[in-house]
Amino acid sequence: NAGVMQNPRHLVRRRGQEARLRCSPMKGHSHVYWYRQLPEEGLKFMVYLQKENIIDESGMPKERFSAEFPKEGPSILRIQQVVRGDSAAYFCASSPRTFLAKNIQYFGAGTRLSVL
Amino acid sequence: DAKTTQPPSMDCAEGRAANLPCNHSTISGNEYVYWYRQIHSQGPQYIIHGLKNNETNEMASLIITEDRKSSTLILPHATLRDTAVYYCIVRSPMSSGGGADGLTFGKGTHLIIQP
Repeated sequence: NAGVMQNPRHLVRRRGQEARLRCSPMKGHSHVYWYRQLPEEGLKFMVYLQKENIIDESGMPKERFSAEFPKEGPSILRIQQVVRGDSAAYFCASSPRTFLAKNIQYFGAGTRLSVL
Repeated sequence: DAKTTQPPSMDCAEGRAANLPCNHSTISGNEYVYWYRQIHSQGPQYIIHGLKNNETNEMASLIITEDRKSSTLILPHATLRDTAVYYCIVRSPMSSGGGADGLTFGKGTHLIIQP
């Protein structure tokens, strides 16, 4: 059973460009979460999605950031007009839809975004 | 979510048991204790969780005090690969949306295993 897959692992963008980060959850998992880790800082929750629905986006910056989890395909975290402060590691996690899951989240290896 | 307090760093000799404490004095009745770790430059990894009974799996043991106000994660035979930041997180298992809420990571404990 493959784990959470994120790609690309490393992404370099110039200021003003768009960054698209992809996350394929573990098989059978219908809940996806995105987290950001700024250099030398802790992990911060950004957004929680189920298929075709955003459940909680309380951690998302108000501008330039968006996320989706379509019926088919991976979840996408999109950052428009990137700035240097967006340079960070972005982690995706997934969880199955069952009470037995007890809030356990399984994380991918992350995408390291560098903005030049 | 209940607030947790962990020491910022700890050292442990390779092959010895590593005991990582966590205080969560404001934990409520339906909240579980979860432990995750993050090895440098990798994604966080789930270790173990518990409600009130002690738990053991292939990675670690979790000891929760009877009043549930604190817990200890035990790595029985630490190896160099166990060097990581360990996070203790307290929260309820399900959100109103039917799934799990986003996790709140504090600063954790940086465990360094010495050869």
